[in-house]
Amino acid sequence: EVQLVESGGGLVKPGGSLRLSCAASGFTFSSYSMNWVRQAPGKGLEWVSSISSSSSYIYYADSVKGRFTISRDNAKNSLYLQMNSLRAEDTAVYYCARDLNEYSSSWVFDYWGQGTLVTVSS
Amino acid sequence: EIVMTQSPATLSVSPGERATLSCRASQSVSSNLAWYQQKPGQAPRLLIYGASTRATGIPARFSGSGSGTEFTLTISSLQSEDFAVYYCQQYNNWPSLTFGGGTKVEIK
Repeated sequence: EVQLVESGGGLVKPGGSLRLSCAASGFTFSSYSMNWVRQAPGKGLEWVSSISSSSSYIYYADSVKGRFTISRDNAKNSLYLQMNSLRAEDTAVYYCARDLNEYSSSWVFDYWGQGTLVTVSS
Repeated sequence: EIVMTQSPATLSVSPGERATLSCRASQSVSSNLAWYQQKPGQAPRLLIYGASTRATGIPARFSGSGSGTEFTLTISSLQSEDFAVYYCQQYNNWPSLTFGGGTKVEIK
């Protein structure tokens, strides 16, 4: 069974930093592109960042470019999101999501974790 | 950025009735369109990709259609577990992926 479990969320002050983790199991993690998608309270979904299976290709939404860094450790079956210079508008539930396709990116997300809440407030 | 507009914002439907949800793209996305279902407190679930291909395990009462800028998700006979929020997502313009604002399907 595919499982994605996020952790690392919490309350942080504006300008602060936080590192999110996503532990994957039940599939060959190293074969799939992985993604972060966020959802502000009561709002819709916003794609944040993507990383290819071997970390060769990394992409960010304009809203987080230069502040967030996505990475992965295939030996640990883990995905990460380092978030710096956090703003109030970054407050959201952050989901990690697996790409539908093995070996290549389809940009469709077939499995999602339950999310971790990040609150940026003074 | 491709803007995805979903309508209506809220759809009131009785169980057993058909529900038709719309999604419009600000420019053509070909057939690179996915639909997700999200229930309160849960993560989104993939329903449809490629505009009309059902994801693994998705019941046949869910169907998608359209191409270019106009897309439709149809739920042929609403079950109690189908009341949720539905989002469309374009991935034609990757890596700039965008979602619609969602349609809430509620019990009439």
